[in-house]
Amino acid sequence: GAVVSQHPSRVICKSGTSVKIECRSLDFQATTMFWYRQFPKQSLMLMATSNEGSKATYEQGVEKDKFLINHASLTLSTLTVTSAHPEDSSFYICSARGGQVNTEAFFGQGTRLTVV
Amino acid sequence: DAKTTQPTSMDCAEGRAANLPCNHSTISGNEYVYWYRQIHSQGPQYIIHGLKNNETNEMASLIITEDRKSSTLILPHATLRDTAVYYCIVRLSHMNRDDKIIFGKGTRLHILP
Repeated sequence: GAVVSQHPSRVICKSGTSVKIECRSLDFQATTMFWYRQFPKQSLMLMATSNEGSKATYEQGVEKDKFLINHASLTLSTLTVTSAHPEDSSFYICSARGGQVNTEAFFGQGTRLTVV
Repeated sequence: DAKTTQPTSMDCAEGRAANLPCNHSTISGNEYVYWYRQIHSQGPQYIIHGLKNNETNEMASLIITEDRKSSTLILPHATLRDTAVYYCIVRLSHMNRDDKIIFGKGTRLHILP
């Protein structure tokens, strides 16, 4: 299947700093990307949906000014956690979907963020 | 909100068939049943999907009841590497641009040696 790559796989940052997570579709053009957050022993929670070249649509309860999403190209979306706090520590996962018919969404391997 | 109900956890002996049930009694006529799994600390992996007919691929079989209110994912010969959380998801077809993948709690499947 298609490959979606996230970077970094793990990151530790200090409280108050910002951290950027990249999501790349390696062998297809991702017209839509989804960002999820997963706390330990819980399911994935959809944070936002972004279409290439337009602003992201955030799910209810997700602060758009705290979780900045940029989807400037068909192969790259970034999630920036601004002014991170320990409660932002989580597993962040992206998913990418192409624009053609019959294109399933593929998931990245996830990024484990620890805020200390 | 997730539209499916799954058992919290299940055990299955290695080499046996693992049968994972899912209830989706409020499924709409244009919604599909999708299955994904998530191995610990990895991103989800697509397994199979169907609308109303039974489906089979190299990973699994999907049996959907005639009224479409429930389905069963079958892993024919479970291995230790199949230990994961399995998510049954009702969604619009991936061909629909308004489609989103909303995860429920899933079933934690333990394959026992």
